[in-house]
Parts: sequence; C-alpha cells; structure tokens
Amino acid sequence: RKEVEQDPGPFNVPEGATVAFNCTYSNSASQSFFWYRQDCRKEPKLLMSVYSSGNEDGRFTAQLNRASQYISLLIRDSKLSDSATYLCVVPRGSNYKLTFGKGTLLTVNP
Amino acid sequence: DAGVTQSPTHLIKTRGQQVTLRCSPKSGHDTVSWYQQALGQGPQFIFQYYEEEERQRGNFPDRFSGHQYPNYSSELNVNALLLGDSALYLCASSLILHSRSYNEQFFGPGTRLTVL
Repeated sequence: RKEVEQDPGPFNVPEGATVAFNCTYSNSASQSFFWYRQDCRKEPKLLMSVYSSGNEDGRFTAQLNRASQYISLLIRDSKLSDSATYLCVVPRGSNYKLTFGKGTLLTVNP
Repeated sequence: DAGVTQSPTHLIKTRGQQVTLRCSPKSGHDTVSWYQQALGQGPQFIFQYYEEEERQRGNFPDRFSGHQYPNYSSELNVNALLLGDSALYLCASSLILHSRSYNEQFFGPGTRLTVL
C-alpha cells in the first residue's frame, strides 16, 4: 500500500455542485492530516488541517476515519475559483517530511 | 512580511551538469525543507535543514545535497544531472517549536528545472 493514495481524478463539475475527494494512508501511527491546494504552476498552500474526526471551514469539510485510515475532503456549492489540484498530506513528526498524495485535479465549469 | 522566496524561477541545464537552487525562508522561520515535484505528481521530500544541519532525508541519491546558512537561507545542489531530474523544486519553511503540534510549512513559488 502506498503511503498516501488519492482518487486519481480528474473531476469536472458544474458550479454549485458538491464534490468529495478521498485519500487513504498506510501509517496507522499518523496523528495529523492535511489538505493542500495547488493552483496550476503555483506552490501548494494549506487548505485544511484534520487532527480529530473532522474539521469544517465554510464550504469545506474534512473528515477522518482512523479505523479505515481514510481522509476525505468535501466541497459544497463549488465555485469557479475552486478549480485546482487538491493534495492529501500526511506529515511524519511535527516538522519532518510531508508525504503528499499524487493530487486530484478539480475543474469547476460555469 | 516577505514569504518564502526562491531563485532562479526557471533554469535549463544539460545532462551531467551541476545546479544550485536558492531559498530564503519566511521571516521568523528557522527550518527549510526541499521537495521535488515531477509533472503530474505530488511533491516528494528531499531533505530538511535546521541549525545548519540536515536533520531528515527522503529517498534521494547523494547527488542531491544541501546547505543552510546562519541567516537560515538554504541551497539545494544537484550534481551529475539526469533527464529525470527535470521537475519543480519547492522550498518550504517553518518554525521549530518544541511541542508536539504541527507547525505549518509555507512553500515558495519553486524553481522549474529542465534538464536536456
């Protein structure tokens, strides 16, 4: 099993749609998880952190299922500006290496 | 407040050459990590520098080396370039806090290296 594995995508959705991305991880000792957003030819930026069962920030909800080693990101009422690649990230230690998934490309269409 | 800066933005080299990439961390940060992102892939951890020492390394050969200066800026050096080294090289900075909580890594815009 890969350290971090994401839905391959790409996802093409209309504005206003709800879309969910899934991610599985192999290290059962991992305590924290992150979703980063990366716009085309730009650097990754932290979108959400997940430390317990879940986290919600406006239209974005991240959920964690430790038993299944599974993380999800839900985007409600998609906007054109949500078009980007979403990267699932599992860090090792508090400041050590970030292990990234391959990323899932989302395109929101008008 | 300046964020993470990297130079150069783009670079073209030929196989066998050597390259040096530079990174200045976000103001107040003391730790620099380097990542390689090939096209269509997520970033892969190369190594991390703190207190001018490499403290963690990913699965990269010795051709990849680095340095951190007293002002916390960092360099990534790659020797004997291969075609497969073509990628976006990202630098990320953070502040080491002696706690168990995660300290966010902020990424620079990257250096796009093309090896011909």
